[in-house]
Amino acid sequence: DQQVKQNSPSLSVQEGRISILNCDYTNSMFDYFLWYKKYPAEGPTFLISISSIKDKNEDGRFTVFLNKSAKHLSLHIVPSQPGDSAVYFCAASEQSGSARQLTFGSGTQLTVLP
Amino acid sequence: DADVTQTPRNRITKTGKRIMLECSQTKGHDRMYWYRQDPGLGLQLIYYSFDVKDINKGEISDGYSVSRQAQAKFSLSLESAIPNQTALYFCATSDPRSDTQYFGPGTRLTVL
Repeated sequence: DQQVKQNSPSLSVQEGRISILNCDYTNSMFDYFLWYKKYPAEGPTFLISISSIKDKNEDGRFTVFLNKSAKHLSLHIVPSQPGDSAVYFCAASEQSGSARQLTFGSGTQLTVLP
Repeated sequence: DADVTQTPRNRITKTGKRIMLECSQTKGHDRMYWYRQDPGLGLQLIYYSFDVKDINKGEISDGYSVSRQAQAKFSLSLESAIPNQTALYFCATSDPRSDTQYFGPGTRLTVL
C-alpha cells in the first residue's frame, strides 16, 4: 500500500499563475518531507523541504505547506514559469534507528503553458 | 563536473545476462542508495549503504545485489536479468547530517 500518494498524475497551468501540487501520506511517523523536481533524462533534484515542527517553508517562488492533522502537504509555485515544467515528486521520511529512508510518491507532471 | 555519475546511461541486455550498473560520487558522502523507477510509479529503494562495511536491503532487493567498493563507489548488479527489471535506475548520496539525497542522472535499462 502506498504510504505517499500524489493523486494527480498531471497538471497544466498558465505562465504567471499559481501551481499547486498536492501530496497525501498515511504514515503518522513521517516527520520530514521533501519535494524533488525531475526533468527528462536527468535525475531528481532537491527543491524544498519541511520538518513536521513547521507548517510552512518558503524559498523564493516555492512554498511548501504541511497539514499534519490531514496528513497532507502541498507545493505552491508562484508565479509559474515555463522552465518549471517537470515531474515533481513528493517524498517523506521517518527516523528508524540511525537510518532515514525516503518514501516517494508517484509524481505529478507539471506543464506551464506560455 | 557532476557530483553523482552513473554508467552506463543506457543499456539493452537480454534475459539471463548478468549486468552491473556503476555509481560514483565526489560529494564525500558516506551514504549511498540505489532506486528504480517504473512508469507511473515513484522511486523504490533497492539497496542502501551507510558506509563501506554497511549494506542494507531496501523494499525491492530481490534479484539485485550491490557492492560498495569505496566511499565514492556503489555498484548495482542484476544477477540474471529479467524483462520486468526494465526500468530507470538512479543512484543517490546523502550526508548523515541531512535527509536530502542527491541523485545521479539515471541509467535506462531494457531487458529483452
